[in-house]
Amino acid sequence: EAQVTQNPRYLITVTGKKLTVTCSQNMNHEYMSWYRQDPGLGLRQIYYSMNVEVTDKGDVPEGYKVSRKEKRNFPLILESPSPNQTSLYFCASSAQSAGGTRREQYFGPGTRLTVT
Amino acid sequence: AQSVTQLGSHVSVSEGALVLLRCNYSSSVPPYLFWYVQYPNQGLQLLLKYTTGATLVKGINGFEAEFKKSETSFHLTKPSAHMSDAAEYFCAVSDNGASGTYKYIFGTGTRLKVLA
Repeated sequence: EAQVTQNPRYLITVTGKKLTVTCSQNMNHEYMSWYRQDPGLGLRQIYYSMNVEVTDKGDVPEGYKVSRKEKRNFPLILESPSPNQTSLYFCASSAQSAGGTRREQYFGPGTRLTVT
Repeated sequence: AQSVTQLGSHVSVSEGALVLLRCNYSSSVPPYLFWYVQYPNQGLQLLLKYTTGATLVKGINGFEAEFKKSETSFHLTKPSAHMSDAAEYFCAVSDNGASGTYKYIFGTGTRLKVLA
């Protein structure tokens, strides 16, 4: 089954304790991305990756890191989480077409993170 | 920079009535436009997309949207609402790389309520 998986689905942590949220896709997609969803703000892109070892900032990258060492995986790292990073996080992937990201994205089920 | 504006964070319609969800975009280049739906406690899934070609786009579950360049709009419609349409709907635009980025920009979402 074609899918994007995220782990963990729920996470409660404390301020400053490093954490990693994993994301994996089995569709051989080139493009992967992380979003955070907050009430009234919709989805905001944190980072995206066009392919292995190619990453770029989205609109809200502060406080986050990513890496793309393998095509299927795109982990999100919070090195020193703070309460304002409490949010619902989604990973997504899409196939890349010539000229840009015109393909639709496939979303994971989400990770609800609470930082106290 | 590209942007998306969704008018109306909450829309209520009666079952069987017309659904109209509004989306306006700002783009300096021909946009790639998408509508996604999010059911409670789930990730997002694609309803429909416009890349090039026909300006009236049909999607899943009876939804359609019309790309109007002169109005910079991409409104989502469905002739007859069903109870199962209750969800949150997001309009999105993607960069095509012309400005050096491949971001996805989402609107803030419209929560659709269907009244029996």
